[in-house]
Amino acid sequence: AQSVSQHNHHVILSEAASLELGCNYSYGGTVNLFWYVQYPGQHLQLLLKYFSGDPLVKGIKGFEAEFIKSKFSFNLRKPSVQWSDTAEYFCAVNSARGNTPLVFGKGTRLSVIA
Amino acid sequence: EAGVAQSPRYKIIEKRQSVAFWCNPISGHATLYWYQQILGQGPKLLIQFQNNGVVDDSQLPKDRFSAERLKGVDSTLKIQPAKLEDSAVYLCASSPAGWVDGYTFGSGTRLTVV
Repeated sequence: AQSVSQHNHHVILSEAASLELGCNYSYGGTVNLFWYVQYPGQHLQLLLKYFSGDPLVKGIKGFEAEFIKSKFSFNLRKPSVQWSDTAEYFCAVNSARGNTPLVFGKGTRLSVIA
Repeated sequence: EAGVAQSPRYKIIEKRQSVAFWCNPISGHATLYWYQQILGQGPKLLIQFQNNGVVDDSQLPKDRFSAERLKGVDSTLKIQPAKLEDSAVYLCASSPAGWVDGYTFGSGTRLTVV
């Protein structure tokens, strides 16, 4: 069965600091990888996704993630965070064979302080 | 396009009572998912529909939870009787058939069982 581990439960950063959130997955086959964001009081929104090709993917709002197959990792990064990045971030995975549901990690809460 | 609509937004019930949630997916989306998100955890799949058929309900507690998707459009999720541990946000998501490109989520229904 698929599983996703997010190592950081709560991260607190000052504005302009760099961000890296860890995500590791467990699955024997080819996967699709996603990062979702949930701003306070809002619904889950897709931040970026990886299907194949260039392992460095860029998403919205300056976020990027790197797929390292040998490490089963898909870490999320942003060079300089803003107060508006305060949110909960979820890593998710599903089988690349299609029509399988997303499996989510437990999420990482990011608090950005001025 | 209109998003995934869910109602109600909030519900408070006493344990052993019953409750129902409603979801209207994006028009034309054949696949519909119900997820349960307990505070501090990531979303967990309850059930996946393809049109009006069930694809995966392996994690649905069938002794108390039921879901249907009549006519392959709207869906309802019911809990009867509710337990304290059912307190969570119930998320509905939809995607086109066979879509691996992530889902569109609704805002969720926050259920509190007292």
